[in-house]
Amino acid sequence: DAKTTQPNSMESNEEEPVHLPCNHSTISGTDYIHWYRQLPSQGPEYVIHGLTSNVNNRMASLAIAEDRKSSTLILHRATLRDAAVYYCSPPLQGAQKLVFGQGTRLTINP
Amino acid sequence: DAGVIQSPRHEVTEMGQEVTLRCKPISGHNSLFWYRQTMMRGLELLIYFNNNVPIDDSGMPEDRFSAKMPNASFSTLKIQPSEPRDSAVYFCASSLLGVGGYTFGSGTRLTVV
Repeated sequence: DAKTTQPNSMESNEEEPVHLPCNHSTISGTDYIHWYRQLPSQGPEYVIHGLTSNVNNRMASLAIAEDRKSSTLILHRATLRDAAVYYCSPPLQGAQKLVFGQGTRLTINP
Repeated sequence: DAGVIQSPRHEVTEMGQEVTLRCKPISGHNSLFWYRQTMMRGLELLIYFNNNVPIDDSGMPEDRFSAKMPNASFSTLKIQPSEPRDSAVYFCASSLLGVGGYTFGSGTRLTVV
């Protein structure tokens, strides 16, 4: 199984960039790396996913290490609405299902 | 699109009663997932379906839990009989197999007293 390791919590200031790391050293070569976030009292929300190349969308950027054993979710200018628990989740090896760890609780200071 | 729709939003029931949670996935999505979330155990995958067929139910905790997907637009998760330790938020998610991410519903908060 592709186990993930993320810091339990991180803190940043509004309008500053945030880099959220994730280690997934056992990921297989064909598994996409997914990132989700969960705002208080809501269901998880898809943020971004990628395979090998760095990816950008309107919410965030995803930087994937060359060996794919780690990735970093980048929020370019954090807002108070970005305060959430962020999960990185590669699918279990060879399977489709996403398994979520404990995630990183991101606090944004005004 | 209205997104993934779950009902009810909240359910309070007595121990021993049957509970049925419902999910309507996004139209066109062909994979459906049931998750459970508690403070102690986080988000746990219970079961998932591809094209209405159960693929992996290894996360279903006990025989008291069962899930069905009679058609592409509806799924149920049933607990019979319910126990206090089943209290949790249950999420349904859907996706297009092999493409993109999951879309989660707002969840059903189940309390068994």
